[in-house]
Amino acid sequence: GAVVSQHPSRVICKSGTSVKIECRSLDFQATTMFWYRQFPKQSLMLMATSNEGSKATYEQGVEKDKFLINHASLTLSTLTVTSAHPEDSSFYICSALQGNYNSPLHFGNGTRLTVT
Amino acid sequence: RKEVEQDPGPFNVPEGATVAFNCTYSNSASQSFFWYRQDCRKEPKLLMSVYSSGNEDGRFTAQLNRASQYISLLIRDSKLSDSATYLCVVNVPLSTGFQKLVFGTGTRLLVSP
Repeated sequence: GAVVSQHPSRVICKSGTSVKIECRSLDFQATTMFWYRQFPKQSLMLMATSNEGSKATYEQGVEKDKFLINHASLTLSTLTVTSAHPEDSSFYICSALQGNYNSPLHFGNGTRLTVT
Repeated sequence: RKEVEQDPGPFNVPEGATVAFNCTYSNSASQSFFWYRQDCRKEPKLLMSVYSSGNEDGRFTAQLNRASQYISLLIRDSKLSDSATYLCVVNVPLSTGFQKLVFGTGTRLLVSP
């Protein structure tokens, strides 16, 4: 149980285009999902906390107008990288909380974004 | 002081060795603790939760020391396949009444033949 599916796993796009990444909890409801970014050989960096039915909470330094997060249902959160640039190339990972904050996180398998 | 701190390593150990990592946390009100494993270019995967009394899963033992505010992960009889980055995650209560989960930066383990 507790499977989180993230799609696509890999995407290559041209500079200036937008990319949408989906994160679904397949067998549980997740009121809270998280989006992370990880550059090569660096640690996970929390970008934002996504709560179902409300606006996402962004971490300091993360542009909310560039990284649009929508959590319209208890099983789906989306991250849209708008007007992507090469410096946005990274590994984006979502996770979902099954239960409260005393529960473990379950991660999607990540999306490797390359902007050319 | 950082909310969660880990020695980044790398820890280089031979196969069969026993290795231990610590993870310190700053908020004494934290109640939940986890160890995750992350392989290169992959997502983190839950290794084990850490319970107050300590817990064991095969070759892996997790312990919590509330007095000194750290959790530990002990790996016995290291295998080549244990090479990975080990992340600790700590639940941190906020003054607003909400909580957040904070990741350590990870400890890299390299097991050699």
